[in-house]
Amino acid sequence: QQQVKQSPQSLIVQKGGISIINCAYENTAFDYFPWYQQFPGKGPALLIAIRPDVSEKKEGRFTISFNKSAKQFSLHIMDSQPGDSATYFCAASIGIGSQGNLIFGKGTKLSVKP
Amino acid sequence: NAGVTQTPKFQVLKTGQSMTLQCAQDMNHNSMYWYRQDPGMGLRLIYYSASEGTTDKGEVPNGYNVSRLNKREFSLRLESAAPSQTSVYFCASSDASGRLGELFFGEGSRLTVL
Repeated sequence: QQQVKQSPQSLIVQKGGISIINCAYENTAFDYFPWYQQFPGKGPALLIAIRPDVSEKKEGRFTISFNKSAKQFSLHIMDSQPGDSATYFCAASIGIGSQGNLIFGKGTKLSVKP
Repeated sequence: NAGVTQTPKFQVLKTGQSMTLQCAQDMNHNSMYWYRQDPGMGLRLIYYSASEGTTDKGEVPNGYNVSRLNKREFSLRLESAAPSQTSVYFCASSDASGRLGELFFGEGSRLTVL
C-alpha cells in the first residue's frame, strides 16, 4: 500500500513531441505528489509538485495531471526538447514528507531525439 | 551557494572494510536524509534526521549507521561493507518552510564494494 508504481521504465520521444509519464498509488492518505528530475551524474531536483485539491498544475512546458478517484497522476512535457533528456521520478507522501515518508517511484529514463 | 556537499564522490572498498560518507548543507535546513539509488529501484531512504539530535530508520537501514553531528552535517557509516551495498548514495536536506518541503540533493557518492 506504500508503493508508488511508475511507468514506463524508459521513453523515447522526438523533439517537439509530448512526453507522458504515469504514476499510480494505493494509499489514499497521500496528499503531496512531487516530481523530481535527475540529469546523469547529478542529484535529483524538484521539478513540480501538486496537492490533491487541484486536478492540474502547469509550470512552463511541464504539467501534472491528478486523478484522485483513479489514484493516478502523470507528468506531461509539452514540446519536448533534447535538454529534457533525464530520469524522472514521481513520489508521494503524507504531508510534505519532511519526516522521511516520501515514497519514490522507480524512475523513467526519458530520451528526446533531435 | 554550495547547497549540499558530499564527500567522497567515488570510493572502492573491499568486503568487510568500513567507511564514512560525509554530508554537509549550508541552507540551515532542519531535516537531512540519506538515500541509495540502484538501477531500476528508484531512491530508497536509508536514514533520516528530522532535526539536530534525532535520527530515524528509513526503508533500508540494515548495515548502516548515521550521526547527525550538528545542524549542518549528517554522516553515513558502513561498518563492514558488503557487495550488496554497491550503490550511489545521495544526501539531501529540506526545510518545512520551503517550497512544499522540497528536497535538495547532493551530487552523490558512488560506492563500489568488491
